[in-house]
Amino acid sequence: NAGVTQTPKFRILKIGQSMTLQCTQDMNHNYMYWYRQDPGMGLKLIYYSVGAGITDKGEVPNGYNVSRSTTEDFPLRLELAAPSQTSVYFCASSYSGGLGAQYFGPGTRLLVL
Amino acid sequence: AQSVAQPEDQVNVAEGNPLTVKCTYSVSGNPYLFWYVQYPNRGLQFLLKYITGDNLVKGSYGFEAEFNKSQTSFHLKKPSALVSDSALYFCAVRDLGGNSSASKIIFGSGTRLSIRP
Repeated sequence: NAGVTQTPKFRILKIGQSMTLQCTQDMNHNYMYWYRQDPGMGLKLIYYSVGAGITDKGEVPNGYNVSRSTTEDFPLRLELAAPSQTSVYFCASSYSGGLGAQYFGPGTRLLVL
Repeated sequence: AQSVAQPEDQVNVAEGNPLTVKCTYSVSGNPYLFWYVQYPNRGLQFLLKYITGDNLVKGSYGFEAEFNKSQTSFHLKKPSALVSDSALYFCAVRDLGGNSSASKIIFGSGTRLSIRP
């Protein structure tokens, strides 16, 4: 059981480039989440999904897009990268949404220069 | 709107002493509360949760949390701190706003716990 996996671990982007952060979970969880964590700060919710085909915006969705074609995968797309998107990105999944534990991946560190 | 507050950015404790990391909440309705821990360069790990029932909740690594409805608090505690407990701790509450908001949780700003040998 790998839990939640994220790729890549680290990436440097130039301003204006695009990339996709991958997230996969093998726990058959319906609920999945993308957060960003800026240095010394808490977590901010970017997007979340309550099941395949259903996504919704979180607190800071601008500049990002998501899709959820399968239960396992929840990729996060960055279009036209900006320095303000320099952060650590965490994907998480949960069996019971806001009722139970969220399981986090190891994170992707992104630097936009 | 639901929210949690962690009033201390940092807590310093000597090894072997009891520790408390504070959290207060503001919710409409019954609170669903959580504690998570983040070790350096790692994702968050779930420690414990309060949904209903006993006000003292036991969790992983010897941690426990006390739910206090009158003080709207959910402080994290451990009787005897270890150096390995040094990490970033987050309190969180279930978001009850909107249709699918019940699927989300809102995190506090975090408290850095430092245990000195």
